[in-house]
Amino acid sequence: SQQGEEDPQALSIQEGENATMNCSYKTSINNLQWYRQNSGRGLVHLILIRSNEREKHSGRLRVTLDTSKKSSSLLITASRAADTASYFCVTRPGGSNYKLTFGKGTLLTVNP
Amino acid sequence: DTGVSQDPRHKITKRGQNVTFRCDPISEHNRLYWYRQTLGQGPEFLTYFQNEAQLEKSRLLSDRFSAERPKGSFSTLEIQRTEQGDSAMYLCASRYPREYPGELFFGEGSRLTVL
Repeated sequence: SQQGEEDPQALSIQEGENATMNCSYKTSINNLQWYRQNSGRGLVHLILIRSNEREKHSGRLRVTLDTSKKSSSLLITASRAADTASYFCVTRPGGSNYKLTFGKGTLLTVNP
Repeated sequence: DTGVSQDPRHKITKRGQNVTFRCDPISEHNRLYWYRQTLGQGPEFLTYFQNEAQLEKSRLLSDRFSAERPKGSFSTLEIQRTEQGDSAMYLCASRYPREYPGELFFGEGSRLTVL
C-alpha cells in the first residue's frame, strides 16, 4: 500500500512558472525525501527534509514539512522544460524498520 | 560509471519461463533495495538487504520471487514461472549506511515483458 499521496496527480505549466506539488502521509516519520523520475528511467534523489526541519532549499527547489498535518510540499521555481518528470515523495511507514515507501507521484509537464 | 547498474535492461519472455535480474550497487553501499514499478504507479517495495542478509521482504512477493545477495555485493532477483502480471520495471537501489533512511541511488531498471 502507498504511504504517501501526492497531489495533484498531474500538473501542466508553462516554462518560467512555479510548480507546487503536495504530499500527505499517514504515519510518523524520521524524514521525508523527494525523488524525480524522467520517463522510463531510474529515480534521482532531489532533497531530504528531517522531521525537525520545517523548510529546506536546494537550488530552485524548496521543500516544506508540517508534521502536525503530516504533509509536505515541493516547490520548483522558474521551471524549465527539462523539469518535465514524475515527482515522488518517500517516507518510512510505521511498523517497518527498512521499507521506504513511494507515493503514486505527480506528473509534471513544463511546456516550452 | 560508478553508479548502480542493472542487467538486462529489457527482457521479453513467455509466460511460465524463469527470469533473473542482476543488480550491481555502488561499491561502498551495504544497503540494497529491490522495487517494482508498473505504468503510472510509484515504485513498490519488494525486498531489502543489509550486506548479505535479507532483512525485509514485502508480502507482495509471492513464492515465485526470490532474491539473493550472496557476498554482500551484487544481488539477483529471480522470478519463476512468470505470469503476465509480472510485467513491470524492476528497480534496484543502494545507499550508504551512515544515515537512516538516507538517499537512495537507483539503477536504470530492468523492464520485464511477459507474453
